[in-house]
Amino acid sequence: RKEVEQDPGPFNVPEGATVAFNCTYSNSASQSFFWYRQDCRKEPKLLMSVYSSGNEDGRFTAQLNRASQYISLLIRDSKLSDSATYLCVVNSHSNYQLIWGAGTKLIIKP
Amino acid sequence: EAQVTQNPRYLITVTGKKLTVTCSQNMNHEYMSWYRQDPGLGLRQIYYSMNVEVTDKGDVPEGYKVSRKEKRNFPLILESPSPNQTSLYFCASSTTSGGPLNEQFFGPGTRLTVL
Repeated sequence: RKEVEQDPGPFNVPEGATVAFNCTYSNSASQSFFWYRQDCRKEPKLLMSVYSSGNEDGRFTAQLNRASQYISLLIRDSKLSDSATYLCVVNSHSNYQLIWGAGTKLIIKP
Repeated sequence: EAQVTQNPRYLITVTGKKLTVTCSQNMNHEYMSWYRQDPGLGLRQIYYSMNVEVTDKGDVPEGYKVSRKEKRNFPLILESPSPNQTSLYFCASSTTSGGPLNEQFFGPGTRLTVL
């Protein structure tokens, strides 16, 4: 089992719709969780950290479920510009190393 | 402008020919890291550095070397490249307090092909 698993997609979603995807992680001791966004052939950029209580940033909501060991990302009122690959990131046993998921590709269609 | 730069952006080389990919950041970050990204796999860390003269292996260090003689620079060296090192490489940096647990800033990537 991979340490961090994501559905690779692609998720094809009409503009304006709500879309959600999950990421599962295997290390129950992980404490830090992130979502990064990566546009095609570009560098990853931090979208948001994921806090235990869940957090929201505009149209984006991130949640953590420790019992089931997954984090989720919800995008409301999706825009064409949301089309990208979303990378789930979890800290490993070392606080100075991260484990990256392979990403979920999202395509927003007009 | 705060940024991480990498050079070259694209490189095609042959097996065994030593090469260096440079990485430089102007944000005075202590933590720097190198990753490779391959289709279907997540970013995998090659090496990281907590500060000048402090480097450590990541998950896939074989075949790579790094050095950190100055705070702003963190070059990646392939002494004898092989075709399995064909990949997209990213350099990243962040502040030390938390290392990569703070936002990481990535360079634009270097696409390397080893024939």
